Amino acid sequence: AQTVTQSQPEMSVQEAETVTLSCTYDTSENNYYLFWYKQPPSRQMILVIRQEAYKQQNATENRFSVNFQKAAKSFSLKISDSQLGDTAMYFCAFMKQYDGNKLVFGAGTILRVKS
Amino acid sequence: DGGITQSPKYLFRKEGQNVTLSCEQNLNHDAMYWYRQDPGQGLRLIYYSQIVNDFQKGDIAEGYSVSREKKESFPLTVTSAQKNPTAFYLCASTAPGRISTGELFFGEGSRLTVL
Repeated sequence: AQTVTQSQPEMSVQEAETVTLSCTYDTSENNYYLFWYKQPPSRQMILVIRQEAYKQQNATENRFSVNFQKAAKSFSLKISDSQLGDTAMYFCAFMKQYDGNKLVFGAGTILRVKS
Repeated sequence: DGGITQSPKYLFRKEGQNVTLSCEQNLNHDAMYWYRQDPGQGLRLIYYSQIVNDFQKGDIAEGYSVSREKKESFPLTVTSAQKNPTAFYLCASTAPGRISTGELFFGEGSRLTVL
């Protein structure tokens, strides 16, 4: 069975600064996907970024980028130029290839952006 | 506007009572999912359905039941057999052709409290 671990229950960052959220996972699969989802307060959860395990290049979406270390089974999220709207719970998630979008989620990290 | 609607947002139930949470989508999505969110545990998959009149158990299906009589609707019943039903419940769906991408669209959730 796959497990996803987020070791930082809460983090805070000053507006305009950079913050990195950590995630590690355990799997015996070779082909899989990793995700970061964002859950803002009282709002819908949305997909932030996705990484295919077979790709060596780290995924980037505007101010969001990942550091994917396959051998170490590590998948961190870097948020640059943090904004107040980035305040949310962030979930790291894992999915085996061709597994019908059945994701395994970590416990989440609450990120607070301070002005 | 297209989206996923969950109702009610807040629900209180006495012990021993069954309760049904509604999930409706007008996105023409085939696959739908129910997740349970608990503090410190992230999201766990309860049930999922990839097509009308078919559904499968997730990781924590005991004490829950679902139906999928219409493409748009995937109600979840929390039965009296569920030992610890107080939680936040999230419904999600996936667009056609995106079933192996990990891209889930979420509703705003229903918070169930058992008194």
